[in-house]
Amino acid sequence: NAGVMQNPRHLVRRRGQEARLRCSPMKGHSHVYWYRQLPEEGLKFMVYLQKENIIDESGMPKERFSAEFPKEGPSILRIQQVVRGDSAAYFCASSPRDRGEETQYFGPGTRLLVL
Amino acid sequence: AQSVTQPDIHITVSEGASLELRCNYSYGATPYLFWYVQSPGQGLQLLLKYFSGDTLVQGIKGFEAEFKRSQSSFNLRKPSVHWSDAAEYFCAVASRSWGKLQFGAGTQVVVTP
Repeated sequence: NAGVMQNPRHLVRRRGQEARLRCSPMKGHSHVYWYRQLPEEGLKFMVYLQKENIIDESGMPKERFSAEFPKEGPSILRIQQVVRGDSAAYFCASSPRDRGEETQYFGPGTRLLVL
Repeated sequence: AQSVTQPDIHITVSEGASLELRCNYSYGATPYLFWYVQSPGQGLQLLLKYFSGDTLVQGIKGFEAEFKRSQSSFNLRKPSVHWSDAAEYFCAVASRSWGKLQFGAGTQVVVTP
C-alpha cells in the first residue's frame, strides 16, 4: 500500500508566481489535511478536506491560499502571487477518519522556495 | 486555550543511553495523542499513538510512551538510543471531535558516540 504522495518535492518560484502543490492520499483514505512548517514556527494546521468539501480552513491565510480535493485526482494546495514569506515545507496527511481511525499519515512534503 | 508543550528544545544523549522526551498538553478533555519523528528533509513518521485503554503505549523503533491523565502528560521514552535516532520529535494532539493536529514545538535529539 503506497503511502501519501506529494509532488513536487521541491518547488522554486519567483515572487508573484503561482505555486501548486499536489497530494495523493493513501488508498482508501478520504480525509486530507495540509500543514505548513515555517522556520522558527513549527508545524501549523492549514486546512482539512474531504472529497469535494472543505471541512475546516481555520488555519489558511485569508488571501492567496486555496485548497481543493476533487472527486477524482489529488488534493491541490494553491498559492497565488507567492511572496518570500511563503517559503516553507508544506506537508499533506491523510486519514481514513470515517472508519473510526483517527491517525494521520504524512507525505514527504513539498519544500517551496520563493526567490 | 488549547496548547501542546515540549519543554526541551534540544537534547543531547550518548549512544546506548536512555532517552525521555517530555510532552504536556492543555485540552478540555483527553485528546488523541501522538508522537511523530522527522529526519532532516523528510516527512513525519508516526512512532506511536494513544486513543484509550492501556496508558503505556508501545511504538515502532523501540519507543514507548506513557499517558498520565493527572499530569496531562504523554512522555516518550527509549531505553537505549541508537545513532539513527537523531532527529526531531514532535508531540501532537487532536480533539476527539475534530481532526486537525496541534503540534508541540519539537525536540531536536542529538546522539553522540
